[in-house]
Amino acid sequence: AQTVTQSQPEMSVQEAETVTLSCTYDTSESDYYLFWYKQPPSRQMILVIRQEAYKQQNATENRFSVNFQKAAKSFSLKISDSQLGDAAMYFCAYRSALYSGGGADGLTFGKGTHLIIQP
Amino acid sequence: EAQVTQNPRYLITVTGKKLTVTCSQNMNHEYMSWYRQDPGLGLRQIYYSMNVEVTDKGDVPEGYKVSRKEKRNFPLILESPSPNQTSLYFCASSLTGSGFSYGYTFGSGTRLTVV
Repeated sequence: AQTVTQSQPEMSVQEAETVTLSCTYDTSESDYYLFWYKQPPSRQMILVIRQEAYKQQNATENRFSVNFQKAAKSFSLKISDSQLGDAAMYFCAYRSALYSGGGADGLTFGKGTHLIIQP
Repeated sequence: EAQVTQNPRYLITVTGKKLTVTCSQNMNHEYMSWYRQDPGLGLRQIYYSMNVEVTDKGDVPEGYKVSRKEKRNFPLILESPSPNQTSLYFCASSLTGSGFSYGYTFGSGTRLTVV
């Protein structure tokens, strides 16, 4: 079974600065998808960015970018120019590209990193 | 607007009283899933459905039932709720196949308290 590890339960950053959230995962598969979800106090789960494992180029969405290291099984999220609205729980998630059939199938989440933005 | 709609948003109930949390999506997604979120444990999958009449257990299915009679609806049923099912519940949907790469769309969550 795949596992996702977020080693930083909490991170704090000054407004306008850059912060990197860590995520590692364990899998024997070669084809999979990785995601970062944001959960603000409203508790809504919002997709921030996604990466397909077969793509070498790191995904970027405005101020959000990832550093995907497939061999190291690492998928960190970088937030540039941090804003107060970025304060939230951030979850890293893994999904196999194949439907295995029977048993658990779906997104596997890390336990989350609580990001605090200091004004 | 493309969305997943869960109801209710908040629910307080007593041990043993059957309840249903509804979930509906308007994106024609084949795949639907239920997760529960608990502090320090992240999100864990309860059940999922690849299509109509096709459901399967996730990581924590005990005490829950689901059905998928229509493509858009995927209700979560607690036949005899217990206090350890107090949690925040999310319904989610997605495309299948290469569509999994787009991630899941989540509902707004249901905060359930069982006393």
